[in-house]
Amino acid sequence: QVQLLQESGPRQVKPSQTLTLTCTVTGAFIDRGEHHWAWIRQTAETGLEWIGHVYTTISRTYNPSLKSRVTISVDMSRNQFSLRLTSVTAADTAVYYCGGAEYGRHYAVDFWGRGTAVSVS
Amino acid sequence: QPALTQPAAVSGSPGQSISVSCIGSASDIGASDSVSWYQQSPDRAPKLIIYDVSSRPEGISGRFSGSKSGYTASLSISGLHEEDEALYFCSSRGGGDRPVVFGSGTRVTVL
Repeated sequence: QVQLLQESGPRQVKPSQTLTLTCTVTGAFIDRGEHHWAWIRQTAETGLEWIGHVYTTISRTYNPSLKSRVTISVDMSRNQFSLRLTSVTAADTAVYYCGGAEYGRHYAVDFWGRGTAVSVS
Repeated sequence: QPALTQPAAVSGSPGQSISVSCIGSASDIGASDSVSWYQQSPDRAPKLIIYDVSSRPEGISGRFSGSKSGYTASLSISGLHEEDEALYFCSSRGGGDRPVVFGSGTRVTVL
């Protein structure tokens, strides 16, 4: 079955505010334990950056550089997972992707959302 | 600053073979067989083409292959096609608290 991910959330956030993005998963089930569910962002200047990931409700792992500001949560009933990034600055302006990495493949992201561009200004 | 170092650009003529390097350290590439490679076309999400150093996902052409030696991983593309023109990123499990690190990206141009 084809797995589809779709990011949703604001395109613009003011400095010092909180960014919240949601990823809706179709064709796979977050609670099955078959994938890690990740948030990744990309800018032209810094390239790709792994923000963090969750594995069902068992574990959450965050990039140390963002850990103090990031929370990734899961809504099993809606088959969604969300990113919350607090105290945003212009440096958080990026394209944000959600992705699924098959369990056991060392976090290789085999399906991605289309990405959502977020501007902090 | 990306943790893994890639050349900014690599080019080749149609039908040729090229290689893209990805240099890490003992704590990331050197620590496990967790290297992945992604292909990204303009305004598209990255696409996984290699995982676990040398494995290809279903549907990925056999013209793409991966290898690793010490702290350096490599992506090879044989029989270069025009549609291979894209940005290519490597990634690896990071060391310490870093779950995943990425390379700086290499733009492959088909002359």
